[in-house]
Amino acid sequence: DIQMTQSPSSLSASVGDRVTITCRASQGIRNDLGWYQQKPGKAPKRLIYAASSLQSGVPSRFSGSGSGTEFTLTISSLQPEDFATYYCLQHNAYPYTFGQGTNLEIK
Amino acid sequence: QAQLVESGGGVVQPGRSLRLSCAVSGYSFSSYGMHWVRQAPGKGLEWVALIWFDGSDKYYADSVKGRFTISRDNSKNTLFLQMNNLRAEDTAVYYCARRPSVVTPLPDYWGRGTLVTVSS
Repeated sequence: DIQMTQSPSSLSASVGDRVTITCRASQGIRNDLGWYQQKPGKAPKRLIYAASSLQSGVPSRFSGSGSGTEFTLTISSLQPEDFATYYCLQHNAYPYTFGQGTNLEIK
Repeated sequence: QAQLVESGGGVVQPGRSLRLSCAVSGYSFSSYGMHWVRQAPGKGLEWVALIWFDGSDKYYADSVKGRFTISRDNSKNTLFLQMNNLRAEDTAVYYCARRPSVVTPLPDYWGRGTLVTVSS
């Protein structure tokens, strides 16, 4: 199975900060990766697919990059509604696998 | 507007079975594959299973292979997850979600989830 190692596991930041979350795959997965945001008690929301394509309706301050084994999710200027948990998910091979999650907290 | 509503969760003893359902409306259910994803209390997300739009292909996480079966009834716009020989570690909120396409297969629309608790 492909292992997805996400870092950091938690992150404290302030409104207006630029933050970056990283996912590393245990083997090359081309660009077969997406990013999700989850708020407490809610279903996940897809932000990015195909590593860098922005989901319709998602603010442009979110961006994704990477290919192969290393991927990043960047939030250019944090807004209050962005404090949540973020997950990467690979679909290059079955079984699909999530990263462990990054809990983004208000500093 | 796509709507996915899970049901069938509850408390069940270890070793017993449970069947989850996901009722879909707002899009052409029979044209899309479907996922199950779960989340144990206070833990991260775990992909569980995927079924093709016509039920012809199915894939599972290693942790549930041989115990869980994903299926669908396109005439009733409903997805199922048959869970047998349940274990304490299967305790989780179970979400159903749509597979948008072969090219972009990651879940887009999600239900609100149904809680399964495996406990004696």
